[in-house]
Amino acid sequence: KNQVEQSPQSLIILEGKNCTLQCNYTVSPFSNLRWYKQDTGRGPVSLTIMTFSENTKSNGRYTATLDADTKQSSLHITASQLSDSASYICVVTRNNAGNMLTFGGGTRLMVKP
Amino acid sequence: GAVVSQHPSRVICKSGTSVKIECRSLDFQATTMFWYRQFPKQSLMLMATSNEGSKATYEQGVEKDKFLINHASLTLSTLTVTSAHPEDSSFYICSAVGPGQGTGGYTFGSGTRLTVV
Repeated sequence: KNQVEQSPQSLIILEGKNCTLQCNYTVSPFSNLRWYKQDTGRGPVSLTIMTFSENTKSNGRYTATLDADTKQSSLHITASQLSDSASYICVVTRNNAGNMLTFGGGTRLMVKP
Repeated sequence: GAVVSQHPSRVICKSGTSVKIECRSLDFQATTMFWYRQFPKQSLMLMATSNEGSKATYEQGVEKDKFLINHASLTLSTLTVTSAHPEDSSFYICSAVGPGQGTGGYTFGSGTRLTVV
């Protein structure tokens, strides 16, 4: 079954600290993996997208990694800011499936001062 | 970058009335648009996929007669919630894919908070 599992479900950290969010998937055949940030009451905004051959990709303080062999990805946030408080969603695209997206349940991150 | 505009951002309607939500691709042609529904603290659930000029394909369990989708042009798709009931209250989000969008695709709208009273 094509699934995307994220952990933890929620996380509270202090401003300035780093954190790492995890994403495991069983989606096959794999096309790409995306990380989105969704602020409360807003639509998701793309942070990174990685294909099979890419191991890491950065976007400012966000760094995503991908291990296509173990089907795991992580999103590392460096020097967290209050504005990082949001839900982070891992989305995997299946190849040969009309570009069907499979969404993870998301990690709700709260950054406290 | 690719921008998808969704309106209204929030709407309150009376039970039994219909509500239309618009999703526009501002700087690219959206050959395919997706409509999602999101309940509090849950992830997005795909409702339907629409290709320009074709009938929408609905996910299992989504009533096509209740959630009318029109994708008549390459830049506009609409979702109409007909005879809305309180259980239809939710956060509705569209996303669009198309040529000229740049790498990645799947730009999301900002969402519409529907409250049925």
